[in-house]
Parts: sequence; C-alpha cells; structure tokens
Amino acid sequence: GDSVTQMQGQVTLSEDDFLFINCTYSTTWYPTLFWYVQYPGEGPQLLLKVTTANNKGISRGFEATYDKRTTSFHLQKASVQESDSAVYYCVLGDTNAYKVIFGKGTHLHVLP
Amino acid sequence: GGIITQTPKFLIGQEGQKLTLKCQQNFNHDTMYWYRQDSGKGLRLIYYSITENDLQKGDLSEGYDASREKKSSFSLTVTSAQKNEMAVFLCASSIAGSSYEQYFGPGTRLTVL
Repeated sequence: GDSVTQMQGQVTLSEDDFLFINCTYSTTWYPTLFWYVQYPGEGPQLLLKVTTANNKGISRGFEATYDKRTTSFHLQKASVQESDSAVYYCVLGDTNAYKVIFGKGTHLHVLP
Repeated sequence: GGIITQTPKFLIGQEGQKLTLKCQQNFNHDTMYWYRQDSGKGLRLIYYSITENDLQKGDLSEGYDASREKKSSFSLTVTSAQKNEMAVFLCASSIAGSSYEQYFGPGTRLTVL
C-alpha cells in the first residue's frame, strides 16, 4: 500500500542555519504531497502542498519540492528562527480521497 | 475562520474503563477525523466520518468506537482503556473530498493508571 517514510526524528540547529528535511514516498498513483507543522500545545496545521513534480510549494519562507525519479520529497528553509521550533510532518495523499498518510514527524529544535 | 474544540483537554482513567472524548467544529465541514498521536509514531487514523451519520474505520480502529451525532460533533470512545493507551488524541475536520487540508483541534491527552 501507499506509504511515506520520514527518517529524521530530531534535528537541532542554530538560528540562521539552513534546514533540510527529507521524506520518501511510495504510491501507485499520482502523488500529492504536503507538509504539516505542529507547534507545542497545538494541533498540526497545513504548511504547504506540492502537486506536481519539480514544482515548488512555498509558504512562510519554507519551500518544498518532490522528485518523481527518486520518490523523495523535501522541505527546506534558508534561515531558521527559534520560532520555527516545531514538529514537521510529511504527508501523502491517499488514493482514498478522504484520507492522508502522515510520516512519523521530525522534531526541529532551533537554538537561539 | 473557525475553531475545533476538544473536551476534555486531559483525561485520566483506570485500566478497563470506558472513556469518551468529544470534538466540536464550527467550520461547517462535512468530514471529521480522529487520530492517535504517539511519540515517534506520527498520526494514525482511528475513525473518520465523511458526512453526518457516516462512520468509516481507519487503520487503528480496534478498541475504539465513534459516533457522529450531528454535522458539528464527533465523539470517540475507548471501549476498555489499557495502560499502553497513553497518547494524545487529535480531532480534525475538512471539506468533503479535500482531506489534504485538515483543521486540527489541540488534542486530548489520555493517561491510564
């Protein structure tokens, strides 16, 4: 079945560092991929969506693209701030239009 | 804008107890979801409801029941709490067929003694 794998459980950076989080996905359908972010004490919220390979999704300084050849999907930001500390989930749209598949999440901790 | 309210915020129960978690949304969304969040395991779908009076099992439905009383509310029942049930339960809603954009509540943290 469809799946998404997020290997980085925790990432620690300093302010102004470059962020790169990678996911891989597996699907027999045309993938629609998303990133969600969860701040402490809150539920997850949609950060951005990418529906076409090699096209960027951009939101709040974050960029995401996916590579159909390597079935990888990544999130990046040029310069992180302490306020970006949160858990980031890569998410794959399911062939069932009412479901999505969440990765295990990457906990980003940005040091001041 | 809208909001999703989950009650209670913290729930403490005894092993074997039947426990109910409640969720209300005022987005007027058709579809609602219940997820379980365990540390290091991401979010796993327990139940979802496409529209009022509909119930669909997710990947983790065993040991849970759900009820969609009306369009704005969706309840989850842990039928017999187990010690390994300690987790955060998240409710979400979306426009029908737009599952990618889900709006989440803040969660109910369950502790079983």
